[in-house]
Amino acid sequence: DAVMTQSPLSLPVTLGQSASISCRSSQSLVSSDGNIYLNWLQQRPGQSPRRLIYQVSKRDSGVPDRFSGSASGADFTLKISRVEAEDVAVYYCMQGTRWPYTFGQGTKLEIK
Amino acid sequence: EVHLVESGGAVVQPGESLRLSCAASGFTFGDYNMHWVRQRPGKGLEGVSIIRNDGGKTGYADSVKGRFTISRDNSKNSLYLQMNSLRSEDTALYFCAKDSPNGSIEHWGQGTLVSVSS
Repeated sequence: DAVMTQSPLSLPVTLGQSASISCRSSQSLVSSDGNIYLNWLQQRPGQSPRRLIYQVSKRDSGVPDRFSGSASGADFTLKISRVEAEDVAVYYCMQGTRWPYTFGQGTKLEIK
Repeated sequence: EVHLVESGGAVVQPGESLRLSCAASGFTFGDYNMHWVRQRPGKGLEGVSIIRNDGGKTGYADSVKGRFTISRDNSKNSLYLQMNSLRSEDTALYFCAKDSPNGSIEHWGQGTLVSVSS
């Protein structure tokens, strides 16, 4: 299975500041069709996960444009600009290239 | 609107079996791959199993391989997870999830709780 490694695991952020979360896969995530199936999910306390970003950088409908995804080689990044109180959650990267899909350990974002 | 409703969670003893079900609605069930994902108390997400839309291919996490079996009945819009030889480390909230064509999971149920304890 592809092991997904996230950092940091805890992320204290001041309201209005930016936050970045990194994710790296132990195996290539380039699919046979040439796409990279790397996703970012948000899980607020007591809720089911919600997809924010798919295929590295495509934002889901209804997701604020403060959320953005990018890649540099084998490293993937979720950036949250102008952090708001509603962003308090655990963020996971998830690969969908190999079966079964695998997740990073999660990054807990909290407000300082 | 997509709805995924899990059921079957219970408190069981180590070594026992349990079958989880997921009732799907709001989409053409037979067109989509489906997943079971679990979350141990206070921990992260773990992909447990995936099944192709026609049931002809399955995948499992190493932690459950040989003990869990995923299946589906497209005529009943239902997904199942047969869990045998349960261990304390299988204690978790089990989510049913709908795949999307772009290597992703787009919809999640609310989960059903499995507790394995003597």
